[in-house]
Amino acid sequence: TQLLEQSPQFLSIQEGENLTVYCNSSSVFSSLQWYRQEPGEGPVLLVTVVTGGEVKKLKRLTFQFGDARKDSSLHITAAQPGDTGLYLCAGAQDTGFQKLVFGTGTRLLVSP
Amino acid sequence: EAQVTQNPRYLITVTGKKLTVTCSQNMNHEYMSWYRQDPGLGLRQIYYSMNVEVTDKGDVPEGYKVSRKEKRNFPLILESPSPNQTSLYFCASRSGSHNQPQHFGDGTRLSIL
Repeated sequence: TQLLEQSPQFLSIQEGENLTVYCNSSSVFSSLQWYRQEPGEGPVLLVTVVTGGEVKKLKRLTFQFGDARKDSSLHITAAQPGDTGLYLCAGAQDTGFQKLVFGTGTRLLVSP
Repeated sequence: EAQVTQNPRYLITVTGKKLTVTCSQNMNHEYMSWYRQDPGLGLRQIYYSMNVEVTDKGDVPEGYKVSRKEKRNFPLILESPSPNQTSLYFCASRSGSHNQPQHFGDGTRLSIL
């Protein structure tokens, strides 16, 4: 059973456009991480959000953790071709060893 | 340089021929994990280890074995590989807290014919 659903699955946009990626679950997470993965490489951590309602900014990327800690969003302003990649959310569950559950991923293509 | 190293990066083999994918990290991390990545399914955890000699099953452990004899190494063993284990595999490590970043290797693409 997939606990974290991401939408959209695919997104193809032009340079300069804005976009939002959603990560939704019916489960509560103690924290949520966002990763970006490029072809031929492993995922690389972008941000960790811990508190319900928390908003973090990383240059043109804005991450928000839902008030109930069940969902999160990633907003990119004025997307650049360098933003192209697979974006993965991952929620940490308090099950003793705090397992990370990964979302299904959103593949973003930003064309010049 | 902090890194997680997997070998091999690519492997094509045949059904039933035992294989091992090695994973080594140089960050003295307690927690290590193996994932497989398949289209539309995201990253699914195969096995994890909380420390030396402590391993446990993840979500999709069938057909895989692991060992953790040393802190830095966490090999993934396929005793009798089958075509449904064709996938992209990632090893990852992190320090104890779930808020810490998980560091991934660059992946191993396995094709089982």
